[in-house]
Amino acid sequence: RKEVEQDPGPFNVPEGATVAFNCTYSNSASQSFFWYRQDCRKEPKLLMSVYSSGNEDGRFTAQLNRASQYISLLIRDSKLSDSATYLCVVNGKAGTALIFGKGTTLSVSS
Amino acid sequence: EAGVAQSPRYKIIEKRQSVAFWCNPISGHATLYWYQQILGQGPKLLIQFQNNGVVDDSQLPKDRFSAERLKGVDSTLKIQPAKLEDSAVYLCASSLTSGGNIQYFGAGTRLSVL
Repeated sequence: RKEVEQDPGPFNVPEGATVAFNCTYSNSASQSFFWYRQDCRKEPKLLMSVYSSGNEDGRFTAQLNRASQYISLLIRDSKLSDSATYLCVVNGKAGTALIFGKGTTLSVSS
Repeated sequence: EAGVAQSPRYKIIEKRQSVAFWCNPISGHATLYWYQQILGQGPKLLIQFQNNGVVDDSQLPKDRFSAERLKGVDSTLKIQPAKLEDSAVYLCASSLTSGGNIQYFGAGTRLSVL
């Protein structure tokens, strides 16, 4: 089982749509969780951290289910500018680097 | 605040040649990471430094890859000799501390091995 697995994608949605990405992780000792965004031929940039209680940042909502080792990202009212690859990221074990999923590509069209 | 600086941005070499990449992290960031991102994949950690000491190099192909961070600031990553499968983007990232703290990435070096 891969350490971080994401929906394969790509997701092609119209503007204004709601889209959800899912991610599972294998290490139950993981402590930190993030969603990064990566535009084509650019570096990954932090979109948001994911907290156990769930958290929201504008149109973006992240959820964490530790029991199921599952992370989600919901994007409401999709914009053209949301088109990117979304990387699910977890902390492997304390004191070590982050582990990235392969990413899910989102394409929002007008 | 200046971000993570990397150079060169692009590099094309032939197999069996050597190449070096340079990274300057965000000022004050003690932890520095080198990642390899192959097309269609997420970044994969190659090596992690805490100041000038190596924390994790378990996924670094040590027969051909080497990295150093001599004064705890800048870092270089070297490949010698390069193979075709080394074609990838090499990303440098830094964070204040290790263990899940937010990482900031440089623009990366895109390497093509012919």
